[in-house]
Amino acid sequence: QQQVKQSPQSLIVQKGGISIINCAYENTAFDYFPWYQQFPGKGPALLIAIRPDVSEKKEGRFTISFNKSAKQFSLHIMDSQPGDSATYFCAASRSNDMRFGAGTRLTVKP
Amino acid sequence: DARVTQTPRHKVTEMGQEVTMRCQPILGHNTVFWYRQTMMQGLELLAYFRNRAPLDDSGMPKDRFSAEMPDATLATLKIQPSEPRDSAVYFCASGTRDSLETQYFGPGTRLLVL
Repeated sequence: QQQVKQSPQSLIVQKGGISIINCAYENTAFDYFPWYQQFPGKGPALLIAIRPDVSEKKEGRFTISFNKSAKQFSLHIMDSQPGDSATYFCAASRSNDMRFGAGTRLTVKP
Repeated sequence: DARVTQTPRHKVTEMGQEVTMRCQPILGHNTVFWYRQTMMQGLELLAYFRNRAPLDDSGMPKDRFSAEMPDATLATLKIQPSEPRDSAVYFCASGTRDSLETQYFGPGTRLLVL
């Protein structure tokens, strides 16, 4: 059973554009929602994370929007750059359980 | 520059052979996680340790997989006997809290079982 659904599978954006990746979760007990960035041949790296008591968190060009009632959260990358090209994973966790989305391969064209 | 190290980076073996993957967590981190990444299943948490004691290994197939922390600087993941379906990238991550929230991933071991 896939507890975290991520879309789209792949995304192509022009340089300077906005990249948007969406995730939906099922278990309302999840209380921590991180996004990871993974470059080819590397391990995932924590990018930004949010807890359900806030609806938005921004760090530089990266913003998480969180909708608790809809059980959805999304990552927005403003002014996307070719260096942002990577695979992005959302995740949801509580206690000793963390579930990852399937990943979104982002390509930012120059 | 503190980072998680994993060895080997690549491993090709034949079905039935034992495979041992090693991880050196960041110095001072007391929590270690093992993940498996495949195209079909994505990232799966296999097991994690705090202060060298296993906290959760419910994601790990018990019949052939085993995970240990002989000391605070070394974590191992063994597969015996290996099968082609074990082919994947195995990541180790370490953290400073006994939860899943703060973790730093290593570069992974890419395993191919023929």
